[in-house]
Amino acid sequence: SAVISQKPSRDICQRGTSLTIQCQVDSQVTMMFWYRQQPGQSLTLIATANQGSEATYESGFVIDKFPISRPNLTFSTLTVSNMSPEDSSIYLCSARDGKNEQFFGPGTRLTVL
Amino acid sequence: DQQVKQNSPSLSVQEGRISILNCDYTNSMFDYFLWYKKYPAEGPTFLISISSIKDKNEDGRFTVFLNKSAKHLSLHIVPSQPGDSAVYFCAARSGTYKYIFGTGTRLKVLA
Repeated sequence: SAVISQKPSRDICQRGTSLTIQCQVDSQVTMMFWYRQQPGQSLTLIATANQGSEATYESGFVIDKFPISRPNLTFSTLTVSNMSPEDSSIYLCSARDGKNEQFFGPGTRLTVL
Repeated sequence: DQQVKQNSPSLSVQEGRISILNCDYTNSMFDYFLWYKKYPAEGPTFLISISSIKDKNEDGRFTVFLNKSAKHLSLHIVPSQPGDSAVYFCAARSGTYKYIFGTGTRLKVLA
C-alpha cells in the first residue's frame, strides 16, 4: 500500500491569501486526487491531478480557485487561492496504484479567518 | 444529488456485539464498492471492498454484503471492539476512476 504525507498538517490563514498544500507519495502511482471534507459532510472530489497536464476538475471547482500541479508520479500540490471562511475545511490528498484500492493522506486542516 | 447515502449519522454498540453500518446508492452503474474507516486527525484508511459481481466479501471480523436489487450495501463488524470506534465511509466507483463517498457514520463501541 502507498504511504501518503501532506504538508502542512494544519494552518490558519487570513481571508484573501493563498495556501499551497503539498502531497508526497512513497511510490509511483497512476492516479492522484484532491478531496475536501467540510464539517459533517462527505469527502468531495475537487479534481484529479494529471501528471504532466492540466488537472481534471469536478463540477463546482475551477482552476483559478484551486490550481493543481503534478510534476511527476509521486508529488502533487493543491493551492487554495483568495481564501474565504467558506474554504475552511480538511483537504485530503489521495492516490491509487492501479488496483482498486485508494489511499489517503492524513489531511490538511485549513481555517480561514 | 447525493448518489451514495449513509442515513445513520451515528451508531452505538456494546463491545462484543455486532455493528451493522448501512449504505444506499442510486446509480445502478456503480460496479465497485468500498468501506473506509477514519479516525480523528487522520486520513481515511481502506477497510474492505466488494465487486458488483459478488454479494458478500469477508475479511476477518469485517464482512460487506451487497444487495444490487435494493441498491444497498452493509458492513458487519463482529465482534465489535472499542478500537473500532471511528467514522465509517462507504464509497462507490463511478466510471473507471471516480469514487463517490457517503457522508459517513460515526460508530462508537462501548466497553
